[in-house]
Amino acid sequence: DVKVTQSSRYLVKRTGEKVFLECVQDMDHENMFWYRQDPGLGLRLIYFSYDVKMKEKGDIPEGYSVSREKKERFSLILESASTNQTSMYLCASSGTSGGPYNEQFFGPGTRLTVL
Amino acid sequence: AQSVTQLDSQVPVFEEAPVELRCNYSSSVSVYLFWYVQYPNQGLQLLLKYLSGSTLVESINGFEAEFNKSQTSFHLRKPSVHISDTAEYFCAVTVIQGAQKLVFGQGTRLTINP
Repeated sequence: DVKVTQSSRYLVKRTGEKVFLECVQDMDHENMFWYRQDPGLGLRLIYFSYDVKMKEKGDIPEGYSVSREKKERFSLILESASTNQTSMYLCASSGTSGGPYNEQFFGPGTRLTVL
Repeated sequence: AQSVTQLDSQVPVFEEAPVELRCNYSSSVSVYLFWYVQYPNQGLQLLLKYLSGSTLVESINGFEAEFNKSQTSFHLRKPSVHISDTAEYFCAVTVIQGAQKLVFGQGTRLTINP
């Protein structure tokens, strides 16, 4: 089974802190994604990566950056956390060998609260 | 650009009743369509997908969805729901670009009452 793990289920930080959210997948997937999930807005893509050291902006990249130094690990960084970044953050990964579409597999999420 | 609209934010139903969760999309090109489910305190899981072929697709737990190109819809149905179906359901479309990004709808929270 594909496993996507996220470093914390719950996280509480203060405004202005630098926050790291870590995601690790064990299926040698090329693609990795970071989403945020908010009530009434569904999931919105923050950043994605299709290879080591490669990254592309999603729909809401402002206030975030990412790092992918190893294939299995994709980190989301909040340089200076703000209260409007309080949200559920979901990581996902997918391969590239499954035909027309490769399923995205999701981690359990990190609920971040910024005070 | 693609977009997805889920018309109901919450759907309460009684156990063993039928249910339909509505999903409409907009796109200028052909799309792949998906339903994901999120059970309480869990991540998302793929429920079913439409890639090509038969417009009616089914999941292993009794859900089905029908792709209707003329109405740009992909509604999710189940003839008889169970308490264990309580979850949030997300409709999504692909954007074929690089890593096959997904565009999600707002989600529908399905609550099953005994």
